[in-house]
Amino acid sequence: GQSLEQPSEVTAVEGAIVQINCTYQTSGFYGLSWYQQHDGGAPTFLSYNALDGLEETGRFSSFLSRSDSYGYLLLQELQMKDSASYFCAVGDNAGNMLTFGGGTRLMVKP
Amino acid sequence: DGGITQSPKYLFRKEGQNVTLSCEQNLNHDAMYWYRQDPGQGLRLIYYSQIVNDFQKGDIAEGYSVSREKKESFPLTVTSAQKNPTAFYLCASTPLGATNEKLFFGSGTQLSVL
Repeated sequence: GQSLEQPSEVTAVEGAIVQINCTYQTSGFYGLSWYQQHDGGAPTFLSYNALDGLEETGRFSSFLSRSDSYGYLLLQELQMKDSASYFCAVGDNAGNMLTFGGGTRLMVKP
Repeated sequence: DGGITQSPKYLFRKEGQNVTLSCEQNLNHDAMYWYRQDPGQGLRLIYYSQIVNDFQKGDIAEGYSVSREKKESFPLTVTSAQKNPTAFYLCASTPLGATNEKLFFGSGTQLSVL
């Protein structure tokens, strides 16, 4: 089976940089994904790492180290609208289903 | 516009009653999923389907049932056997083989018990 761990809550100020970590245990690995969810809303896809290294998309970057079973999401130039929950997720052996972590609630303060 | 439509947005269930949550997509995606989310928690997989007339149990399938008679539709029934059904239910879809890369989610249905 799969399990993922991420911090439950992170607080940062507007304009700062924040890193949300995710460690995972899987019987097979098919990439690490990140999703953002605002309160009461649907999760939206942010990024996907299949290989080691850093992927950058605007203010957001995601990193993966398969040897360490570890990844992180980096948010730069934080804005108030970034206040949301962020979930990491990994695929099963066959790539048929995603297992999500418990989520990290990010609060951005002025 | 292409997307995933879930209805209703809010649903109330009486004790002993079965209720059905609707999920329709016009993205021409083969794979569809149902997740349950409890307050402050992550998403847990209930059922998924990769092809019409076939579906698989996820981690928490007990007390739920699904059907996949059409590619576009994947309704979820919360049966009376599900003793704690109050939660936010999310439907998702993706092209076959792209599950790990990107799921597209509907706006969700909040189910509460009267």
